[in-house]
Amino acid sequence: DQQVKQNSPSLSVQEGRISILNCDYTNSMFDYFLWYKKYPAEGPTFLISISSIKDKNEDGRFTVFLNKSAKHLSLHIVPSQPGDSAVYFCAASIYSGAGSYQLTFGKGTKLSVIP
Amino acid sequence: NAGVTQTPKFQVLKTGQSMTLQCAQDMNHEYMSWYRQDPGMGLRLIHYSVGAGITDQGEVPNGYNVSRSTTEDFPLRLLSAAPSQTSVYFCASTGAGETQYFGPGTRLLVL
Repeated sequence: DQQVKQNSPSLSVQEGRISILNCDYTNSMFDYFLWYKKYPAEGPTFLISISSIKDKNEDGRFTVFLNKSAKHLSLHIVPSQPGDSAVYFCAASIYSGAGSYQLTFGKGTKLSVIP
Repeated sequence: NAGVTQTPKFQVLKTGQSMTLQCAQDMNHEYMSWYRQDPGMGLRLIHYSVGAGITDQGEVPNGYNVSRSTTEDFPLRLLSAAPSQTSVYFCASTGAGETQYFGPGTRLLVL
């Protein structure tokens, strides 16, 4: 049972336009949501996060929106650049006791930004 | 700071062989974890540790062992490699705000 779902395996966007990556989750106990970016042959790198008590977090060209009632979050990249081409993973965190947080990842969305 | 380092970068094993994937971090993080990434499957948690001497199982622990004798090191052992363990393995450590920092990965091929 997938608790974090990224239903679009891939997305193509023209350079300069907006990229919107979507993520849905089922567990209402998740308290923190993160987006990771992954280039081929490299480890995932942290991009942006949002606490469950907020509905928006912005960092430069990247904005994450959280809709708790719909259990949905999205990552907006404006404007998109060719260097943004990568696989983007949505992740959700839950406190599992003894100071530990477990991340559950979606399957990823491959973004291609076309020059 | 080197961050999270992993060795080897690539390994080929025969079925039944054992090996240890090394992971080290220099950020003094208590929480470390191991994931495997398979095509179309995202990242799945194998084992994790909340500090030296404490480990626990994740989503897919079978066939793997871990230990945490120091804060810095968190090795992953494959006891008897199987073709189903062909994957890319990522080690991660967690800093402030629940953000995980990942190593560059180890590509494992089991023949």
